[in-house]
Amino acid sequence: IQLRQSGPGLVKPSQTLSLTCAISGDSVSSNTAAWNWIRQSPSRGLEWLGRTFYRSKWNYDYADSVKSRITIYPDTSKNQFSLQLNSVTPEDTAVYYCARGGHEFDSWDQGALVTVSS
Amino acid sequence: ETVLTQSPVTLSLSPGERATLSCRTRQTVNSLYLAWYQQKPGQAPRLLIYAASNRATGIPDRFSGSGSGTDFTLTISRLEPEDFAVYYCQLYGSSPPWTFGQGTKVEIK
Repeated sequence: IQLRQSGPGLVKPSQTLSLTCAISGDSVSSNTAAWNWIRQSPSRGLEWLGRTFYRSKWNYDYADSVKSRITIYPDTSKNQFSLQLNSVTPEDTAVYYCARGGHEFDSWDQGALVTVSS
Repeated sequence: ETVLTQSPVTLSLSPGERATLSCRTRQTVNSLYLAWYQQKPGQAPRLLIYAASNRATGIPDRFSGSGSGTDFTLTISRLEPEDFAVYYCQLYGSSPPWTFGQGTKVEIK
């Protein structure tokens, strides 16, 4: 499996952070996998943000810390999933990872630094 | 929310020595739900151990996990040069959120 992330590395405060993770070697519609976004910063460490997974229907779980601002959604036509984080502040500056895993995370992309700054 | 506490913060050892890393939870957890990761500078975390004691695919047998209840341990039996890194534990429970510890850095003495 390979995960490849794309998106801007710089986002202005109050705007929306958008990242996409393309999957090869597995399916976003898999009945056994889940697709996660995780971020890492010096102040917050590793922080799980949320996930989507398909079990007869699409399911979504989000961390309480970002629940009011986050959307994770699949794109089955492109076999990828995306993260949208609204109303960002400098505290959202971090390395963002996409990862596969229903509980533990066995595959990660290389990560991408997203800086929130004007 | 269950908090994970890793100790020590830094472990200074020489190649060939044994490393013992601790991860403690505030409340008793199902050991099926504890994982360990290794992270090197500029890289993503790599899964080492899942369900407290099961090695992930391709992980050398010098890495082992143990523990139950509130106390879990990652042991590296003999440190190789490539093992000097930061190690994280992760608790994944029966439902989200998933939580990571703050990490233990294993550095060369």
